[in-house]
Amino acid sequence: GESVGLHLPTLSVQEGDNSIINCAYSNSASDYFIWYKQESGKGPQFIIDIRSNMDKRQGQRVTVLLNKTVKHLSLQIAATQPGDSAVYFCAVPAGGTSYGKLTFGQGTILTVHP
Amino acid sequence: GAGVSQTPSNKVTEKGKYVELRCDPISGHTALYWYRQSLGQGPEFLIYFQGTGAADDSGLPNDRFFAVRPEGSVSTLKIQRTERGDSAVYLCASSLRPGRVETQYFGPGTRLLVL
Repeated sequence: GESVGLHLPTLSVQEGDNSIINCAYSNSASDYFIWYKQESGKGPQFIIDIRSNMDKRQGQRVTVLLNKTVKHLSLQIAATQPGDSAVYFCAVPAGGTSYGKLTFGQGTILTVHP
Repeated sequence: GAGVSQTPSNKVTEKGKYVELRCDPISGHTALYWYRQSLGQGPEFLIYFQGTGAADDSGLPNDRFFAVRPEGSVSTLKIQRTERGDSAVYLCASSLRPGRVETQYFGPGTRLLVL
């Protein structure tokens, strides 16, 4: 089955630095990837997504890179702010008819120090 | 507009009791999802509705768990004979349409504690 994993469970950065959060996936047939941000006491919030026909997608202060060769994606946050402190998850939709099912990674805890 | 809402925000119950958790999706969203999140873990899929019907309930852990969406809007997750291992945050999400690339919008969750 599908699985996603994260290389580092925690990341601590200084305000203004750039942050990079990594995620590995196992199914080479995966064709769509999503990043969510979850603040303490809240539900996951959609940040950005990317389809497998792209290797890079940019949003506001965030960039997602996809390397299908090594089945790896990363989320880059530019000029990290204290409000970016949260847990970040990558997620992959299931294949076949179970397309409503997202599989989440364990998450990376990002802490931004002022 | 209003996002996904869930009630109650917190629920404390005793082992063996029955609980109901409610989800109000974003108005007009036809697909609704339930996930469970244990401490320090990512959300785990439970069940997914298209309209009134459960399109995929493969994530429900056992027959103590049941969910309904009788009118295609509000959904209720029901847990019978609760066990301490059921303690978790139960998250609900909705999307405008069913589909792999449809963005799922999550509610704040219900924190269930079984004593």
